[in-house]
Amino acid sequence: GAGVSQTPSNKVTEKGKYVELRCDPISGHTALYWYRQSLGQGPEFLIYFQGTGAADDSGLPNDRFFAVRPEGSVSTLKIQRTERGDSAVYLCASSLNPGDTQYFGPGTRLTVL
Amino acid sequence: AQRVTQPEKLLSVFKGAPVELKCNYSYSGSPELFWYVQYSRQRLQLLLRHISRESIKGFTADLNKGETSFHLKKPFAQEEDSAMYYCASLGGGYQKVTFGTGTKLQVIP
Repeated sequence: GAGVSQTPSNKVTEKGKYVELRCDPISGHTALYWYRQSLGQGPEFLIYFQGTGAADDSGLPNDRFFAVRPEGSVSTLKIQRTERGDSAVYLCASSLNPGDTQYFGPGTRLTVL
Repeated sequence: AQRVTQPEKLLSVFKGAPVELKCNYSYSGSPELFWYVQYSRQRLQLLLRHISRESIKGFTADLNKGETSFHLKKPFAQEEDSAMYYCASLGGGYQKVTFGTGTKLQVIP
C-alpha cells in the first residue's frame, strides 16, 4: 500500500500565524512519530503516539506546539503564534508497533516569514 | 541524554574505494543503533539496524561497546551510494530516536 504521506509539502506563513501539518501513516501502524529537521541537522524528535495517546511529548519545544491523533490514524501537528525559528522540515514516521522499523514521510517544509 | 555524533559533514571517496562513515554514541545502557539513508529527492529510509546483523547494499556496521561506536562500512563504494547518511540510537526503553547530524557521502566516478 501507500507509504506515509504528509500535507502540505510546503507551507509559507507569516510570523504570528497558526499552522497545521497533517500526517497519514501507513494503514495499521499503531505508532506515529513527529520530528523536526533544521538545515544542516539530523531529525530531532518531537512527539510519539501509541494509538490515540501521546506516549512521549518530551521533544515539543514549548507550549506553542501541540499534536493530536484522535482516531489512532491521522495525526495533526499544530503550531500557534509561529516564529521564524520554527522554519524547518517537519517529518512524520510510523511503525507497526513501537520499536519496529520507522517509515518516514516526505516531510512538510515550513517557512515562517 | 542520548547523543549521537557524526564527526564528518562530508566524505568524498572514489568509486571502488572503501567507505567508513563514523558514528559514536553516548549511552550507558544497551542502545539499539541504526543507520538511515536519504538519497537525493527521496525520503529518509532505514538502511540497517545493529540487532539484525545484516548487510544491506554491501554496507555493514558493527557495534563496538568499548569505543561506543557504530561505524558504517562498505569495501567498494559505488556511485549510487552517494547520499546523506544518518546514524541514530534508540535506548532506555523509550521510543525516542536520537539522530546524528548526518554525513554526506559523495562517490566520485
